[in-house]
Amino acid sequence: GAVVSQHPSRVICKSGTSVKIECRSLDFQATTMFWYRQFPKQSLMLMATSNEGSKATYEQGVEKDKFLINHASLTLSTLTVTSAHPEDSSFYICSARVFDQPQHFGDGTRLSIL
Amino acid sequence: AQTVTQSQPEMSVQEAETVTLSCTYDTSESDYYLFWYKQPPSRQMILVIRQEAYKQQNATENRFSVNFQKAAKSFSLKISDSQLGDAAMYFCAYERNSGAGSYQLTFGKGTKLSVIP
Repeated sequence: GAVVSQHPSRVICKSGTSVKIECRSLDFQATTMFWYRQFPKQSLMLMATSNEGSKATYEQGVEKDKFLINHASLTLSTLTVTSAHPEDSSFYICSARVFDQPQHFGDGTRLSIL
Repeated sequence: AQTVTQSQPEMSVQEAETVTLSCTYDTSESDYYLFWYKQPPSRQMILVIRQEAYKQQNATENRFSVNFQKAAKSFSLKISDSQLGDAAMYFCAYERNSGAGSYQLTFGKGTKLSVIP
């Protein structure tokens, strides 16, 4: 149980393109979803916290207009990287949870902007 | 702000032996959760073990156990009978239980564990 699916697993695109990443909880309804960014050989950095039907809460230093988060249902959250540039290249990973249960993570998305 | 410190960037262990990964944290809260997550080369984050701060008994999951010292704010992970599949990055994480829906994880920088055949 507690499976989180993240799609796509790998994206390569040109600079200026917008990229959408999906995060789905497959067998449970998530009260909260989280988006993280991980640079090579570093830890996970929380970007934003998302609750269904409400606006995401962004961490300090994360551009809201660059990283658009939509949490349309209890099982789906999306992260859109708008007008992506090479510095946005990174590993993005989502997680989902039900109330105070542990977070369950997706497999991550490796984003490469050329 | 809460901080999590993993002082060992890299560790190695012989297969079938035991290894302990260290973690310390700083908080003024009394109610919180602590975790160890494993991230293999596939980069999937896998929950290894969870400890509730109000429980004195150390959590165990098969070959994985923790030594939780609340007063010292220490939370080490012991891996017994190490297997090749245990090779991964291990992240210690802290989560404050606000009771108001705010359960953000704060991660340490990680310890890379190598298992020697």
